[in-house]
Amino acid sequence: EAGVTQFPSHSVIEKGQTVTLRCDPISGHDNLYWYRRVMGKEIKFLLHFVKESKQDESGMPNNRFLAERTGGTYSTLKVQPAELEDSGVYFCASSQGTPVDTQYFGPGTRLTVL
Amino acid sequence: GEDVEQSLFLSVREGDSSVINCTYTDSSSTYLYWYKQEPGAGLQLLTYIFSNMDMKQDQRLTVLLNKKDKHLSLRIADTQTGDSAIYFCAEFMDSSYKLIFGSGTRLLVRP
Repeated sequence: EAGVTQFPSHSVIEKGQTVTLRCDPISGHDNLYWYRRVMGKEIKFLLHFVKESKQDESGMPNNRFLAERTGGTYSTLKVQPAELEDSGVYFCASSQGTPVDTQYFGPGTRLTVL
Repeated sequence: GEDVEQSLFLSVREGDSSVINCTYTDSSSTYLYWYKQEPGAGLQLLTYIFSNMDMKQDQRLTVLLNKKDKHLSLRIADTQTGDSAIYFCAEFMDSSYKLIFGSGTRLLVRP
């Protein structure tokens, strides 16, 4: 069974540009989460989808971040316009039927904003 | 508030035991997790413990949970160079279904 995949693995952009990160969860997993780790600090929750609905987006830093999960399969996280402080590693995770099920993480996308 | 604390760095000699400690704040967490991140890789689920357990053993890994003190530890027996990685402690928030992570403990295993 394929794990959680993320694309791209690395992205280097200039301040003010737009970047879109993609996450493909484990097939059949209804719950999809985005987290990020900035500057070697703790990994912080961004938001949680249940199928195509946003269950909790309390961790989204500001309105420059937009997450979607059309059709309840893969998800995208767009940052527009990107700022220097957005640099970090963005992780996606998915879990099966109920939100209390174990979250399995993808390899992450390393975003560098210059 | 939500906070998980870990020491930042641990260095051990190959063959010794490693103990990584973590403290958390939410006494109602149902599950507590340990994830491992090897260089250049993603987060790998290492093990977890249910909150009504005091100890869980899985091969070389032993997890100890002290609910009274909100203290979690991960012991790796016979530590190998391949165990060098960052280890993240995380508590599952029952109220919001999100994981709260510590900053990670970088384990260095010296030959």
